[in-house]
Amino acid sequence: DTEVTQTPKHLVMGMTNKKSLKCEQHMGHRAMYWYKQKAKKPPELMFVYSYEKLSINESVPSRFSPECPNSSLLNLHLHALQPEDSALYLCASSQVGRHNYGYTFGSGTRLTVV
Amino acid sequence: LAKTTQPISMDSYEGQEVNITCSHNNIATNDYITWYQQFPSQGPRFIIQGYKTKVTNEVASLFIPADRKSSTLSLPRVSLSDTAVYYCLVGYPYNNNDMRFGAGTRLTVKP
Repeated sequence: DTEVTQTPKHLVMGMTNKKSLKCEQHMGHRAMYWYKQKAKKPPELMFVYSYEKLSINESVPSRFSPECPNSSLLNLHLHALQPEDSALYLCASSQVGRHNYGYTFGSGTRLTVV
Repeated sequence: LAKTTQPISMDSYEGQEVNITCSHNNIATNDYITWYQQFPSQGPRFIIQGYKTKVTNEVASLFIPADRKSSTLSLPRVSLSDTAVYYCLVGYPYNNNDMRFGAGTRLTVKP
């Protein structure tokens, strides 16, 4: 298995809703990432997990709450989002402590906040 | 972290060779250069990675001069399906904190 699987592919949520994005990989990668991408902009790094521990938080608002329950799974919990949070949310994974020949990205979740 | 500069956009025609240059003047000794391709509403996809001189795989070549302050991604005989955004990233491949994207180059291939 050489894929990163993200669910759902599309999500529409109200500003008072609570929802979660899910990311899964079975490549044995021990680093996982969340990126946010607005239209016609490059992906912006949000969080990095290494060995299931949060290693980087790029000053992301607390309405985004990441979770890494095990080495294969990464979640992003969403609460009280704003319309400007609408974007494509990408998950990626990579090896740790070894030469990375590129990160593996999922196809993303298209989030619309109404 | 080494910052990269690429042309914002490029146009080409089917069958032509396309060269996209990336400038990374403050690249560190241990940094590698990695290129990604991204189609709309998809995640970036790894294309090629190199440290110096020339690297070639089944889809592209990467040329890196001796001073390593720039690199050129070469796509031979492009097709319409190569229309995408191409990102150049510079970082130490053993470091999991270096994956920050620059603006990228939007390549449009015309028939």
